[in-house]
Amino acid sequence: GAGVSQSPSNKVTEKGKDVELRCDPISGHTALYWYRQSLGQGLEFLIYFQGNSAPDKSGLPSDRFSAERTGGSVSTLTIQRTQQEDSAVYLCASSLYRNTDTQYFGPGTRLTVL
Amino acid sequence: KQEVTQIPAALSVPEGENLVLNCSFTDSAIYNLQWFRQDPGKGLTSLLLIQSSQREQTSGRLNASLDKSSGRSTLYIAASQPGDSATYLCAGRIIQGAQKLVFGQGTRLTINP
Repeated sequence: GAGVSQSPSNKVTEKGKDVELRCDPISGHTALYWYRQSLGQGLEFLIYFQGNSAPDKSGLPSDRFSAERTGGSVSTLTIQRTQQEDSAVYLCASSLYRNTDTQYFGPGTRLTVL
Repeated sequence: KQEVTQIPAALSVPEGENLVLNCSFTDSAIYNLQWFRQDPGKGLTSLLLIQSSQREQTSGRLNASLDKSSGRSTLYIAASQPGDSATYLCAGRIIQGAQKLVFGQGTRLTINP
């Protein structure tokens, strides 16, 4: 079946602009995660959704970052007033519903802020 | 706070060798530990998942072990091939809160023909 998909695959933007990153999880997966992978920082957790609710936003680095999930499916990560330090690969993962389930990752969106 | 460490950071071996990648974690309160492979410019591919109650998992030439008491996991790759060249990441799924994955920095593996 289809895996986790993300769009766009690459995004180049100018400092100060807003960007939206999209994640389509595997159908039926209730848990959705956003991670960020940057040089020198490794992979960092950003936010977790269970259904449409986000019980853990503790990884969002600033109030410029927000995310939503609708219909228990698609999620959008929005970064307002982008800064150069936001440049990274943003990865989305989904899992069925149990805490013992495997997390499946999408291909990521590479964001470059000029 | 969970911290995951992977040693070595990079490894280069000739084709055909058996090798071991190491992963250590500071907090044994994990649901499971997952090993991933990442090719340059690509996302993460899940290789093996070991639940906290398990000791090891096998898939083809790969075998992963978990010792919660010592905070260690190893990924054993048998008869390595050039196609195994990639970065290998381990991640522990913590019990608190979001049950997020906490990742190590990865081991960059190069298999030389």
